[in-house]
Amino acid sequence: GQQVMQIPQYQHVQEGEDFTTYCNSSTTLSNIQWYKQRPGGHPVFLIQLVKSGEVKKQKRLTFQFGEAKKNSSLHITATQTTDVGTYFCAGRPDYNNNDMRFGAGTRLTVKP
Amino acid sequence: DTGVSQDPRHKITKRGQNVTFRCDPISEHNRLYWYRQTLGQGPEFLTYFQNEAQLEKSRLLSDRFSAERPKGSFSTLEIQRTEQGDSAMYLCASSSRPDGRSGNTIYFGEGSWLTVV
Repeated sequence: GQQVMQIPQYQHVQEGEDFTTYCNSSTTLSNIQWYKQRPGGHPVFLIQLVKSGEVKKQKRLTFQFGEAKKNSSLHITATQTTDVGTYFCAGRPDYNNNDMRFGAGTRLTVKP
Repeated sequence: DTGVSQDPRHKITKRGQNVTFRCDPISEHNRLYWYRQTLGQGPEFLTYFQNEAQLEKSRLLSDRFSAERPKGSFSTLEIQRTEQGDSAMYLCASSSRPDGRSGNTIYFGEGSWLTVV
């Protein structure tokens, strides 16, 4: 079955440093979504990428979808304490448009 | 509040008992999903409905698990003869019908925490 792998598992940064999490799928994805989950909370949708090579920005967050539509990344510039949480990617397999498979997430902590 | 709502938010039960969780999706959404999440892991897909039809079930969903969405609105997830390994957060989510290959955003509820003692 489809596997969605995410690295690193944990990342601890000093406030102001940059942060990147990577997502890799064993199969081609029709789209990929990114979610943020605060401690004790539920996943909250951030963005969806659909096109090969697509890049989208949300303020300090930059999302990329690989050319082969098998990998993606989320980059946060100049982290803030409000960025703390676990970031999940979720891929929708190209052969099955009906469910999303989540990575295990990258837990980000930010030291003020 | 027009988001996805789940009930109860927390449930502690003894091993062997049955539990049932309810999910009320966003009203205009015809797709409803159940996921399970344990500490340090991402949500694991369990099953999903389009309207009242259950279209896919994960192999994670053993015979002790059953989900229904009788009128295409709210859904219930029942776990029979609970085991300690069932302890997790059960997340419900909803979305509108995908448009071709673009898919649609999944909106999660706040989850139902289950502890089996």
